[in-house]
Amino acid sequence: GENVEQHPSTLSVQEGDSAVIKCTYSDSASNYFPWYKQELGKRPQLIIDIRSNVGEKKDQRIAVTLNKTAKHFSLHITETQPEDSAVYFCAANTDKLIFGTGTRLQVFP
Amino acid sequence: NAGVTQTPKFQVLKTGQSMTLQCAQDMNHNSMYWYRQDPGMGLRLIYYSASEGTTDKGEVPNGYNVSRLNKREFSLRLESAAPSQTSVYFCASTPVRAGAVNTGELFFGEGSRLTVL
Repeated sequence: GENVEQHPSTLSVQEGDSAVIKCTYSDSASNYFPWYKQELGKRPQLIIDIRSNVGEKKDQRIAVTLNKTAKHFSLHITETQPEDSAVYFCAANTDKLIFGTGTRLQVFP
Repeated sequence: NAGVTQTPKFQVLKTGQSMTLQCAQDMNHNSMYWYRQDPGMGLRLIYYSASEGTTDKGEVPNGYNVSRLNKREFSLRLESAAPSQTSVYFCASTPVRAGAVNTGELFFGEGSRLTVL
C-alpha cells in the first residue's frame, strides 16, 4: 500500500522567513496530494491540494509543488507569520488518504 | 449545520473494557473515515467506508471494528481495550466516494481522546 514520508519533523523559522516541508510517496498510482494544518488542540483542516496533472499551485503565501517522476511534493510558506505555527501534514491518495507523520512548524517573532 | 460530530470527547478505560466511539455527519457525505493520532506517528487510517453498507480496513485495523449504520453514522468499536490504543481518534467525512480520482477535502470531527489504563 501507499507509504508517505515527511521531513523535517520539526522546523523553526524567524517571522518573515520561508518554510519548506517535503514529502515522498511510494505508490505511483497516487493522484491527489493535499496538505492539512492542525493547530494545537484542534482538528486538521485542508489548506491546499494538488492533483497529479498539475506541477505547481499557489494560494497567497502558500504554494505546493509536485514531481511525479521523483514521487515527491513540497509545501512552501513564504513570509511566515506567528499564526502559521502549527503541525502540517501531507497526504497522498489512491483509493484512500494516507498521511505523513507531520511537521511541527514554529515561527518566532 | 454541525458538520462532523464525535462522542465522547474524552474517555478513560481499563484494559479489557469495551467501548464505542460514535460519529455522525450532516453534510450528506458518501465516505467516512476513522483515524488515530499519536505523537510522531501522524494520522493513521483505521477503517473507512466508501458508502452506506461498505467498510474497508486501513493501515492499522487490528483491535477495532466499525459499523456504517446509515449514511450519516460511522461508529468505531474497541472490543477489548489495550494500553496501545491510547490515542486521539478522529472521524472524518468527504462527499467523494473512496476510490475516486481524488479524495476531496476531508472534514474532521473535533477528536476523541481515549486513555486505556
